Amino acid sequence: AQKVTQAQTEISVVEKEDVTLDCVYETRDTTYYLFWYKQPPSGELVFLIRRNSFDEQNEISGRYSWNFQKSTSSFNFTITASQVVDSAVYFCALSEAGTDSWGKFQFGAGTQVVVTP
Amino acid sequence: DADVTQTPRNRITKTGKRIMLECSQTKGHDRMYWYRQDPGLGLRLIYYSFDVKDINKGEISDGYSVSRQAQAKFSLSLESAIPNQTALYFCATSPTGKSVGELFFGEGSRLTVL
Repeated sequence: AQKVTQAQTEISVVEKEDVTLDCVYETRDTTYYLFWYKQPPSGELVFLIRRNSFDEQNEISGRYSWNFQKSTSSFNFTITASQVVDSAVYFCALSEAGTDSWGKFQFGAGTQVVVTP
Repeated sequence: DADVTQTPRNRITKTGKRIMLECSQTKGHDRMYWYRQDPGLGLRLIYYSFDVKDINKGEISDGYSVSRQAQAKFSLSLESAIPNQTALYFCATSPTGKSVGELFFGEGSRLTVL
């Protein structure tokens, strides 16, 4: 069975600080996909990144970066030089692609990021 | 206009009432999902459908039913609402293909059961 753990319930930082959100997953499949979503106070869910299990390259997109390590089953997300607009709940998700769980998404509990000026 | 539209956006109802949440999409995706969000629990899958004739239970389907009326429409029903079904409900779609694409979410339907 697939499982996603986001151990950090809430992280508070001052603007311009870096913040790293941890995501640890469990899966029996060798083929799977990992995702990060952002949920700002307005409530909608915004897709940030999708990564498949065969691509362990880290990725950077502006102030966002992701560190995928299969050896530790982790897919961590870092916001560099945080801004108040980064205040949101961030969800990590996993979808297996090799079993009857194909296409089902398992979400972590989410991490609330609070950025103060 | 939103690609994935949920109605109603907010609903207050009483215990025992039947409630339907509707979802329609213009993205042309075959895969549709209903999730429930509760504080501290993330999003949990209620039902999902990979085409009009395919309906599957998720991890928390008890107390819920769904109907896939067309490729573009996927409705969630609470036959007899109870207070612990108070939550934020999201419909989502995902593109068809060999790989698993990201979910595209509606704006959510906030349901309060008194």
